[in-house]
Amino acid sequence: QKEVEQNSGPLSVPEGAIASLNCTYSDRGSQSFFWYRQYSGKSPELIMSIYSNGDKEDGRFTAQLNKASQYVSLLIRDSQPSDSATYLCAVNGPGSGSRLTFGEGTQLTVNP
Amino acid sequence: KAGVTQTPRYLIKTRGQQVTLSCSPISGHRSVSWYQQTPGQGLQFLFEYFSETQRNKGNFPGRFSGRQFSNSRSEMNVSTLELGDSALYLCASSLGGYMPQHFGDGTRLSIL
Repeated sequence: QKEVEQNSGPLSVPEGAIASLNCTYSDRGSQSFFWYRQYSGKSPELIMSIYSNGDKEDGRFTAQLNKASQYVSLLIRDSQPSDSATYLCAVNGPGSGSRLTFGEGTQLTVNP
Repeated sequence: KAGVTQTPRYLIKTRGQQVTLSCSPISGHRSVSWYQQTPGQGLQFLFEYFSETQRNKGNFPGRFSGRQFSNSRSEMNVSTLELGDSALYLCASSLGGYMPQHFGDGTRLSIL
């Protein structure tokens, strides 16, 4: 079992729709959770961080965390073509310092 | 506020050579982590430095090493380069612990 798994892509949504990206993790003691966006040929860009159960909203982005289910998700409302990128889920476990374990990423395409 | 700066951006080497990559973190950040990104393996953690001490190390051979200076700048060294070392090498800085990490633009290393 992979430590961090993301829903297989690619994911394609029409402009204006809600894009839903999912991630599960295996280490129940994981403490912090991040979503990064990576455009082709660029480095990952942090878009959301979440540490406690529930929802966290930032503009069009909402991160959801459920530690009991070991599940974290990212919702993108009113998707725009500029949101087309690969979204990476990253998890930081206990005793691992700043070590992040990444999922393989989900490629999102928003069609105009 | 300046972001994470990595130099050089691109590097071409031949097998057997060695290479040194540099990373300057965001001002005030004392934690610097290094990651390798390849199409096949995704983002893999190499090591983390905090206040000049290596706190964590990923599953990479001893050919990969690093260090951190008193001003938090970090270098990564790869000796006896192999074709499989061709990758995007990313540096990320943070305040440490479970705080969000911010990535530099990366160094793209190609081995001929």
